[in-house]
Amino acid sequence: AQKVTQAQTEISVVEKEDVTLDCVYETRDTTYYLFWYKQPPSGELVFLIRRNSFDEQNEISGRYSWNFQKSTSSFNFTITASQVVDSAVYFCALSEPHDYKLSFGAGTTVTVRA
Amino acid sequence: DVKVTQSSRYLVKRTGEKVFLECVQDMDHENMFWYRQDPGLGLRLIYFSYDVKMKEKGDIPEGYSVSREKKERFSLILESASTNQTSMYLCASIVRGGETQYFGPGTRLLVL
Repeated sequence: AQKVTQAQTEISVVEKEDVTLDCVYETRDTTYYLFWYKQPPSGELVFLIRRNSFDEQNEISGRYSWNFQKSTSSFNFTITASQVVDSAVYFCALSEPHDYKLSFGAGTTVTVRA
Repeated sequence: DVKVTQSSRYLVKRTGEKVFLECVQDMDHENMFWYRQDPGLGLRLIYFSYDVKMKEKGDIPEGYSVSREKKERFSLILESASTNQTSMYLCASIVRGGETQYFGPGTRLLVL
């Protein structure tokens, strides 16, 4: 069975601080996908990144970066120099390619104060 | 861009009512999903469909049913709404062979 754990329920930071969101996963599959989604107050889930289990290369996209470590089953997400617009709920998720179903973590609420 | 729409953003219903939540996607995706989101629990899969007329139970199907008569439309049905079905409902779709699900804006359902 798949399981995704986001141990941090809420994180509050002041603007321009860096914030790292932890994600730990469990799966018996050797092939899987990992995702991060952002849910702003409007409610819609916005896709941020997908990572294939065979690709452990870290990725940076603007102020966002992701650290995938298969050895520790972690896929952590860092927002550098946070801004108020980063305030949202962030979800980590995992899927198996053959059935598309997503298993989500409980989500981390990030509040960035001006 | 993929567009997934849901019929209502907010809905208030009474206990025992039959409730229909509609989801439409415009990208000819074969696979569609219904999730519910509750604080501290993340999103949990209710039902999904791999094609027209096909449906599969997810992790929490009790109290729900679905209908997929057309490829672009996936309906979630609460046969007799109960207060514990008050939640945020999110629909998603993905093309066969695709890697990323795209989500609708969600429906916040309140059952009184």
